[in-house]
Amino acid sequence: VTLLEQNPRWRLVPRGQAVNLRCILKNSQYPWMSWYQQDLQKQLQWLFTLRSPGDKEVKSLPGADYLATRVTDTELRLQVANMSQGRTLYCTCSSGLGGTSQNTLYFGAGTRLSVL
Amino acid sequence: GMPVEQNPPALSLYEGAESGLRCNFSTTMKGVQWFQQNHRGRLITLFYLAQGTKENGRLKSTFNSKERYSTLHIKDAQLEDSGTYFCAVEANSAGNKLTFGIGTRVLVRP
Repeated sequence: VTLLEQNPRWRLVPRGQAVNLRCILKNSQYPWMSWYQQDLQKQLQWLFTLRSPGDKEVKSLPGADYLATRVTDTELRLQVANMSQGRTLYCTCSSGLGGTSQNTLYFGAGTRLSVL
Repeated sequence: GMPVEQNPPALSLYEGAESGLRCNFSTTMKGVQWFQQNHRGRLITLFYLAQGTKENGRLKSTFNSKERYSTLHIKDAQLEDSGTYFCAVEANSAGNKLTFGIGTRVLVRP
C-alpha cells in the first residue's frame, strides 16, 4: 500500500530556475512528514520535518536552496532553487516522533532532479 | 569521523548464501532503522529497533545501543535482495531527523 505520492517523478531543471515538488499523504495515521535529499554520491540527508498546516522552513545546503511548506494535513511541498548539482528528493512519513517504532520512517518514490 | 559508519562498502554473494552488514555509530543513539534501496531508487523500510533483535523472514537485525552498533543479517540470499542497504540512526532529541550511513551495496549473483 502506497503511503505517499510524490510528483513529479523526474524533472530537468534549467540552471537558475526553481522547481516545485509535491508530496501527498495517503494515510492520515502517519502525519509526521519530512523531506530528505540524496546526492549523487548516494548520501541521504534530512532536510525538514513539518507537522502542522502552515509550517514553513528554509534551508541552504551545498548545491541547492530549499523552502518547505506543510500546506494541509495531507500535502507537503518543497521548492528547490539555485540547484547546481543533481539530486533526488524523498518525502517521508511516520506516525509519531521519538524513541519507539512510531518513528519508523516510510519513503515516497522520490523526485529526481537533474540540472540542465 | 562520520557519525554513522557502514561496512563493508560493498558485498557480493551467491544465491542461497548468507552474510552480515554492520553499522557503527559514534555516540549513543535512541534507535536505528534499516532500509533497502532497490535498482529503481525505492527505499524500503526493513526494521526499526530501539533495542535488541528483530527478525522478518530471511532478515534479522540487532541493535546494541551501549556498544554503539547495529547489524543486519541476510540468510538464503535471493536475487531481489540486491541493492544498497542503509542504516540510519536517531539521536536522543532528533525526532524524525535520521542520520544515514553511506550504505552497503549488495549484489546477489545466481
